[in-house]
Amino acid sequence: GAVVSQHPSRVICKSGTSVKIECRSLDFQATTMFWYRQFPKQSLMLMATSNEGSKATYEQGVEKDKFLINHASLTLSTLTVTSAHPEDSSFYICSARGTGRASKTGAFFGQGTRLTVV
Amino acid sequence: AQSVTQLDSQVPVFEEAPVELRCNYSSSVSVYLFWYVQYPNQGLQLLLKYLSGSTLVESINGFEAEFNKSQTSFHLRKPSVHISDTAEYFCAVSDGSSNTGKLIFGQGTTLQVKP
Repeated sequence: GAVVSQHPSRVICKSGTSVKIECRSLDFQATTMFWYRQFPKQSLMLMATSNEGSKATYEQGVEKDKFLINHASLTLSTLTVTSAHPEDSSFYICSARGTGRASKTGAFFGQGTRLTVV
Repeated sequence: AQSVTQLDSQVPVFEEAPVELRCNYSSSVSVYLFWYVQYPNQGLQLLLKYLSGSTLVESINGFEAEFNKSQTSFHLRKPSVHISDTAEYFCAVSDGSSNTGKLIFGQGTTLQVKP
């Protein structure tokens, strides 16, 4: 089946630094990618939707200047957490959607990235 | 707007017993419905989904869910659980009319299977 790879799986960074998370579709072209955030013991909340070659659409309450999303190619989207603070510590998960069999809603998630800001 | 409510935050059950994880949704448009399983510190795995057609959908590992439009529910069931089924389960809904692909998740249910 279609595979979505997310990297890194875990990252620890110092407060004030920036962290980049990558989400790759390995065997299909991801026309749309979704970024979710999950706090401990809580559900997933959609942060933003990115379509290849265009600006991301952010959900209400998500700071677009803090969470920079780039979807420059059909196989790669990145989420950069800028000037990270401890409250940004969370589990970030991407989901990718493409064409054909990869167009099935909700099917393909990355493994997630555990971000800890110290 | 759509929303999902998972009525139970934790469900403890003994091995080989049946289990039902409840999910109700709210939507003014047609919906796609999903169940995902998440093991600790891992991403989501799609368990099963309802897009259209038969209201009873099944997974390869014995889970099933039934779409009930009148009750706006999509409860997940398994007749006999295993220790390995211990995980977090999320119900999710997506807009079936616009098919944007955006998912709204429920709060999650922790299934604890005891020996």
